[in-house]
Amino acid sequence: GAGVSQSPRYKVAKRGQDVALRCDPISGHVSLFWYQQALGQGPEFLTYFQNEAQLDKSGLPSDRFFAERPEGSVSTLKIQRTQQEDSAVYLCASSLRSQRSGGNEQFFGPGTRLTVL
Amino acid sequence: ELKVEQNPLFLSMQEGKNYTIYCNYSTTSDRLYWYRQDPGKSLESLFVLLSNGAVKQEGRLMASLDTKARLSTLHITAAVHDLSATYFCAVATSGTYKYIFGTGTRLKVLA
Repeated sequence: GAGVSQSPRYKVAKRGQDVALRCDPISGHVSLFWYQQALGQGPEFLTYFQNEAQLDKSGLPSDRFFAERPEGSVSTLKIQRTQQEDSAVYLCASSLRSQRSGGNEQFFGPGTRLTVL
Repeated sequence: ELKVEQNPLFLSMQEGKNYTIYCNYSTTSDRLYWYRQDPGKSLESLFVLLSNGAVKQEGRLMASLDTKARLSTLHITAAVHDLSATYFCAVATSGTYKYIFGTGTRLKVLA
């Protein structure tokens, strides 16, 4: 496909369950970002990958959050023991060059809406 | 810590009118981006501004950047209903990987 895809689009989890959210970036894109967007708010940075290397995970809210991109393409964001405050839309974005190259336009996926009951 | 503020947060305007959305940020930045988000949809890139004095235009939208004032503006000319959406600015700083988004401006253009 031409754009960034994410799956599932919607996920309902019971509190305490583990979830895994998938992101397929645009083919060949070096950079991959995960964001969390609460209702009515702007996206908040979670983590950044340059190819398979996770260069910044400073935005992950707790050690229950874990992200990986083992082969430098598809990425998975895993949330363990979900809590109600984890309910949000999780957005993935990719860009062609590394973040430090500058001027990097990000292309966003449609997001995964996570609801924790 | 970099902070990004937008104003207004909500904007209701008549078709055909002009208005400006402001994006202020707190520390030096070399990259500023504007995005549009429709309800229930993802973000669409509008503009990438990389240098002081940069101005970019697309249709009825024009964005500018003043790095000395740490201010970017998104100007809307002769608004039409199709421009109704939430607009975000995002700022990145040299040597970092993260983008900080503003709180968004929810624009409603009334027919």
